[in-house]
Amino acid sequence: QITLKESGPMLVKPTQTLTLTCTFSGFSLTSSGGVGWIRQPPGKALECLAVIDWKDNTNYSPSLKSRLTITKDTSKNQVVLTMTSMDPVDTATYYCARRLWGGSGSAGGYFDYWGQGILVTVSS
Amino acid sequence: EIVLTQSPGTLSLSPGETATLSCRASQSVSSSYLAWYQQKPGQAPRLLIYGASNRATGIPDRFGGSGSGTDFTLTIRGLETEDFAVYYCQQYGRSPGYTFGQGTKLEIK
Repeated sequence: QITLKESGPMLVKPTQTLTLTCTFSGFSLTSSGGVGWIRQPPGKALECLAVIDWKDNTNYSPSLKSRLTITKDTSKNQVVLTMTSMDPVDTATYYCARRLWGGSGSAGGYFDYWGQGILVTVSS
Repeated sequence: EIVLTQSPGTLSLSPGETATLSCRASQSVSSSYLAWYQQKPGQAPRLLIYGASNRATGIPDRFGGSGSGTDFTLTIRGLETEDFAVYYCQQYGRSPGYTFGQGTKLEIK
């Protein structure tokens, strides 16, 4: 059974750095696959922030790349996302999800298992 | 950067009817690398379709995906009450590789 769960602060102040942890089970990042972080502001669409694969290849949203870092700890089955300079517009539900590679010639992949999400509010 | 535009924004239909949702890309999506997701209020998205037309595990066959290049369609035949939700498309054929559309809300008429 594959599960993912997000953890981290639910409230951060403007200018602070957000650190979110995705703890997963039922699969491993030692030999295949990847994990991504996707966020969704209230009432708005999904936005992929970052993805890391088993070879430590990373892919970042071009508009947020300067603020994001994604890392993995395979021994703990965790993927960590840090996002600097938080602003109220970053208020959103943050999801982590397992990424399956799209195949030869693709630029990424799709997400087949998702965590429940964590609502992060940015406010002073 | 590739942009996905979904239409209509909201679709109002009755149970039993057929829903046709569109996802149009600003550039050709290589090799039909497109996925569809369903999201219900307060829940995480659920993968429905990948590779433009392949149903994910456990997805009923009333859900069908088609299209290639820049135009893709999600068709839901014989709508059931549980199908009323928001649907997103996502492309992974062109860098940066994880672009989502803005969503289509399917509501009960």
